[in-house]
Amino acid sequence: QLQLRESGPRLVKPSETLSLTCTVSGGSMTNYTDYWGWIRQPPGKGLEWIGTMYYSGTPYYNPSLKSRATLSVDTSKNQFSLKLKSVTAADTAIYYCARYIWGSYRDNWFDPWGQGTLVAVSS
Amino acid sequence: EIVLTQSPATLSLSPGERATLSCRASQSPTSYLAWYQQKPGQTPRLLIYETSKRATGIPARFSGSGSGTEFTLTISSLEPEDFAIYYCQQRTNWVLAFGGGTRVEIK
Repeated sequence: QLQLRESGPRLVKPSETLSLTCTVSGGSMTNYTDYWGWIRQPPGKGLEWIGTMYYSGTPYYNPSLKSRATLSVDTSKNQFSLKLKSVTAADTAIYYCARYIWGSYRDNWFDPWGQGTLVAVSS
Repeated sequence: EIVLTQSPATLSLSPGERATLSCRASQSPTSYLAWYQQKPGQTPRLLIYETSKRATGIPARFSGSGSGTEFTLTISSLEPEDFAIYYCQQRTNWVLAFGGGTRVEIK
């Protein structure tokens, strides 16, 4: 079965770039229904969508983060990545990667999710 | 940009009771609605997709319904393991959004 796992630094300094990688195992990243996404959750708060992309397409971003977020996919490594630049303490959160299903026009769900990784922004 | 408003923010119920959670969209979405369950310290789990279909392994006491901008998640009879936070999620064009969540707590 498909599994996802986030990796990357757990501590990032303010104004620097947060970089995370999600490794996909147990399946292909190139199925036509499958997009790949990032979601975050500040401690004690709700879920916030960051961005989603197809393995060979244009990424879609949360408008509130678009200027700072960059998604990319490397199918040769079965990985996709998130870079978030100019971070502040407000970017401290658990970051989840997940497969996003979008095979037809109305399809819309995330499954499965990675276990999440807590990234703190602090000097 | 779509905004999803979930109500109530907190629902206090006893095991065996029926839970009705609401998710209202600020505009008609272009996608079906999904619901997720998150227990403390755990990853969110897909509960309902395509507005009313249960994900694999989800018990029949969970059901989803709705259309347009009004959607509902119903838990017919609460089990102890159902006390958690529930999030709805939709997409409008190329923008995705989550609701703020409803916490279902033991009364």
